Formats: sequence, C-alpha cells, structure tokens
Amino acid sequence: EVQLVESGGGLVQPGRSLTLSCAASGFTFDDYGMHWVRLVPGKGLEWVAGVNWNSENIAYADSVKGRSIISRDNAQKSLHLYMSSLRLEDTALYYCARGDAGKYLVDNYFDTWGQGAPVTVSS
Amino acid sequence: DIVMTQSPLSLPVTPGEPASISCRSSQSLLHNNGYIYLNWYLQRPGQSPQLLIYLGSNRASGVPDRISASGSGTDFTLKISRVEAEDVGIYYCMQSLQSFTFGPGTKVDLK
Repeated sequence: EVQLVESGGGLVQPGRSLTLSCAASGFTFDDYGMHWVRLVPGKGLEWVAGVNWNSENIAYADSVKGRSIISRDNAQKSLHLYMSSLRLEDTALYYCARGDAGKYLVDNYFDTWGQGAPVTVSS
Repeated sequence: DIVMTQSPLSLPVTPGEPASISCRSSQSLLHNNGYIYLNWYLQRPGQSPQLLIYLGSNRASGVPDRISASGSGTDFTLKISRVEAEDVGIYYCMQSLQSFTFGPGTKVDLK
C-alpha cells in the first residue's frame, strides 16, 4: 500500500524555523517527484514546493521562496521541508504529496497524499 | 500566474439528484500537446484530498462513473449524475500548466 506519513508539525513562534518530514512506503520512492501542499484555514489548498526524483529540479511558491528548502533522501525514502522566518500566514495543515509523472517527466497532478502535519505560527 | 475560480462556493445537494460545479481559469489550460492541465480533487471531512479527475476528464482509479468532468480552454465542469452521501466535502480544481494553483473550493453538503 502506498503511504505517506508526515511529522514535525507543531506550535512555533513567528520568526522561528521548523522542519517537516514525510516518510514514504509502498512504492519506489526515487521514481517519483514529491511535493508539499498546505491547507490554509479559511483559504483552501496551496502548493508550497516540489522536487523531482533526483533533486535536480526544485521549485517553490512565491509565498515561501527564500524562506524554505525542500529536500529528499532517496536512501531513507523521506521528504523534508525546512521553513524559516515563519509568519502567522504560514499556519496550515501541511501535506506531503506524490507527483504522477515518474522519472524524467514533469508532474501533472498529485496522486497520493499523506494525512498532513499541522503547523501553527503564533506568539 | 494562473488564477482559478469556482462556482458556486457552496452547494447544498439532494441525494439522488445531479450536481454540477464550475471552474474557470484566467488563461487557457489547453497545451499544444493536446492535453488539458486541469485536475479535480475531493477533500472529505477529516480526510486528505483525493484525486478524482486528472488532465481534464480522466477518472482516477476507484472513482465511480457517476462522476465526470468536461471542458476546454478556460471553462470546466465537474458533474455528479446522482449525488450520494459519500460525495459530501470540498471540491477543488487545480491547474498544472504553469506550476500548480487551486481554485477556492466548492463545499458540497446534503440538504
């Protein structure tokens, strides 16, 4: 069974940093691009960042660019999101999601999602 | 940036009746390769989003055939031929032509 399990969420003060992790199982991790998508209260879903299978192609949403680093460890089958200078508007449920396209192609959609890690930015 | 809009934002439905959700993009999602870069998700209460439709009108695995999608260019529609209780939740359209952006969501609940 394909499974994605996020961890690392919690309550953090504005201006501080946080690292989210996603453990993957049930599929060949390094065959797929991976993404972070967040559910912002009262606003809906927002794509945050994505990384291709070998980490050569990485992209960020403008809202987190310069403050975030997405990374993956194919040997450990894990995905990470480091976020710094956190703002109140970063409060959200952060999902790890698998891209559809496989190696050498650009993802067109997200076919599997984790259950999410809640992040609350508050003083 | 491509902006996605949806209507209605709230949709009370009657079980057994049809339902329809509209999604509009600020620019065409039809690529010159012939693919339509528009996808639909359902987020049921307390669950993570689930892929319903990919690349315009293709049903994802396990999605019943009473759910269908159509459209081209900038106007798209998701249709449920006969609503069931399991269809309750928030429906999002998402474009993937340029990065990824979601519509604001349409909340579907039972009358």
